[in-house]
Amino acid sequence: GENVEQHPSTLSVQEGDSAVIKCTYSDSASNYFPWYKQELGKGPQLIIDIRSNVGEKKDQRIAVTLNKTAKHFSLHITETQPEDSAVYFCAASASGGSYIPTFGRGTSLIVHP
Amino acid sequence: KAGVTQTPRYLIKTRGQQVTLSCSPISGHRSVSWYQQTPGQGLQFLFEYFSETQRNKGNFPGRFSGRQFSNSRSEMNVSTLELGDSALYLCASTENGLNTGELFFGEGSRLTVL
Repeated sequence: GENVEQHPSTLSVQEGDSAVIKCTYSDSASNYFPWYKQELGKGPQLIIDIRSNVGEKKDQRIAVTLNKTAKHFSLHITETQPEDSAVYFCAASASGGSYIPTFGRGTSLIVHP
Repeated sequence: KAGVTQTPRYLIKTRGQQVTLSCSPISGHRSVSWYQQTPGQGLQFLFEYFSETQRNKGNFPGRFSGRQFSNSRSEMNVSTLELGDSALYLCASTENGLNTGELFFGEGSRLTVL
């Protein structure tokens, strides 16, 4: 089955800095890669996603890049703000796997004001 | 539109007991999937229900079961609770299934097994 590794597990940055979280996946059939943000006491919420026919996607301060050859994808947050502090999860899924998502173990992002 | 609602939010049980958790999806969403979240294992898929039928199942023992009603509300049940079942149980809904992309999560039911 699919295996998703996510690094780092904790990331501490100063307000205004950039943050990068990386994920690797094992199943070359995976073709959908969402990123979720989970704030304390809340459920995860989708912040951006990318499909395998696209190499990069951007939404304001957030961007995701995908390298299918290397089987890794990354989340980039620019100009971080304290409200970006949360746990971020990457996931991968494939049509052949009924789109059952496999999640990374999460990255706790702390943005210091 | 109301979001995904999970009840109860917190509960404490003892080993050997059983528990039932409830999930009301966003209106119009027919797919409900369940996940177990623990610090050690992260988010793991339990199962998905669509139009009252279990469509997908993860790698969990038979003690974990679920069902979906005609109004798309779903319940999951864990029997013979073990200490390791302590976790945050999340449900998510989508309009037509896991292939539609975004999962809309509830806030979860936090289960503690003593």
